[in-house]
Amino acid sequence: GAGVSQTPSNKVTEKGKYVELRCDPISGHTALYWYRQSLGQGPEFLIYFQGTGAADDSGLPNDRFFAVRPEGSVSTLKIQRTERGDSAVYLCASSLGGGGNYGYTFGSGTRLTVV
Amino acid sequence: ILNVEQSPQSLHVQEGDSTNFTCSFPSSNFYALHWYRWETAKSPEALFVMTLNGDEKKKGRISATLNTKEGYSYLYIKGSQPEDSATYLCAFFRGNLIFGKGTKLSVKP
Repeated sequence: GAGVSQTPSNKVTEKGKYVELRCDPISGHTALYWYRQSLGQGPEFLIYFQGTGAADDSGLPNDRFFAVRPEGSVSTLKIQRTERGDSAVYLCASSLGGGGNYGYTFGSGTRLTVV
Repeated sequence: ILNVEQSPQSLHVQEGDSTNFTCSFPSSNFYALHWYRWETAKSPEALFVMTLNGDEKKKGRISATLNTKEGYSYLYIKGSQPEDSATYLCAFFRGNLIFGKGTKLSVKP
């Protein structure tokens, strides 16, 4: 597609529930990133995919968070047993390559609210 | 812990004013610095990717400079317009992008 698409744009869920957030990157972009932004903070790195594999998952806060990119395009971020502290805007971005030489193209984000 | 500091946190200017803000980052093992503009209800948009000490980049009325030896970058906006109102984020690359908290710019007509 023309840009990075994230769905849903908004998600309200109850504490303890499971959620999935989807990211459809720009066609041909091999690198895909997930970030989250909490109020008053800059985007915080979660995970980076190069192709189908997670090249760096050091930003995932705990084992309730998991992400996949099975065919090297669409990615899903999965959060189990959601907690109120998981409320944030989850941003996905893609780029031509994994090095810092390429600008990232971001989606509009998914605003997750855990009540 | 790698810190990327941006100042000021927010800025209010009148239309036509020129303005600038600062991004500070670790000066060791520099690889790249990015600037993004994030307008409300939109996606962050890449402005500049800077990789060399002394780099100067320009896009319309917006320009940026880079000093990797002392660990700072400046973003300048000449003749601010209301449509420049946004949060400007810088990000330091160290394996992945590490973002600052941003400078929120409001331009009054």
